[in-house]
Amino acid sequence: TQLLEQSPQFLSIQEGENLTVYCNSSSVFSSLQWYRQEPGEGPVLLVTVVTGGEVKKLKRLTFQFGDARKDSSLHITAAQPGDTGLYLCAGVPNTGNQFYFGTGTSLTVIP
Amino acid sequence: SQTIHQWPATLVQPVGSPLSLECTVEGTSNPNLYWYRQAAGRGLQLLFYSVGIGQISSEVPQNLSASRPQDRQFILSSKKLLLSDSGFYLCAWTRGSYEQYFGPGTRLTVT
Repeated sequence: TQLLEQSPQFLSIQEGENLTVYCNSSSVFSSLQWYRQEPGEGPVLLVTVVTGGEVKKLKRLTFQFGDARKDSSLHITAAQPGDTGLYLCAGVPNTGNQFYFGTGTSLTVIP
Repeated sequence: SQTIHQWPATLVQPVGSPLSLECTVEGTSNPNLYWYRQAAGRGLQLLFYSVGIGQISSEVPQNLSASRPQDRQFILSSKKLLLSDSGFYLCAWTRGSYEQYFGPGTRLTVT
């Protein structure tokens, strides 16, 4: 099993603040995904990064894949209550078909 | 477009009873299929994955088993449930190694 540690585990912020979530591992991944999950539902894919150093933007969300393809970050600018949810990273190793998920970050944005 | 179905949505079963959860995918062929279990507010634990009919890979030795009798059907089973089998079970499919799509999940409570 290849572990992906996310930090922080819990985050509660005011609307309009910025935040960064980290996803770290000692393993190298061929690609890394970020998902958001609402309570009682399945995770929904936000983005996939595949190249070391890659940066992708999705409206107020910015995703970065580490140069060594072992870690990633998710930055949210001017958070809104609709951003509330569980954020999960997942990595795909260089060989095999498994997706290994991170420990999760629960975000609450207070209006 | 592709859709993924899981049933039942919720299930309450006594300890020692059997289990069968079903997942089907529509709108694609020869998908990779996955079963995950999730504890409340936490990341996903990969249980089984399949790259084709009759091909099952187990990630974690458990009280559970999986089968893939048809190309787009994935079944999670147990002969005798334990209290520790309670959780949120998610089925997912992938096209390639970059994007994973999840079903709505099954909430299992073992009493």
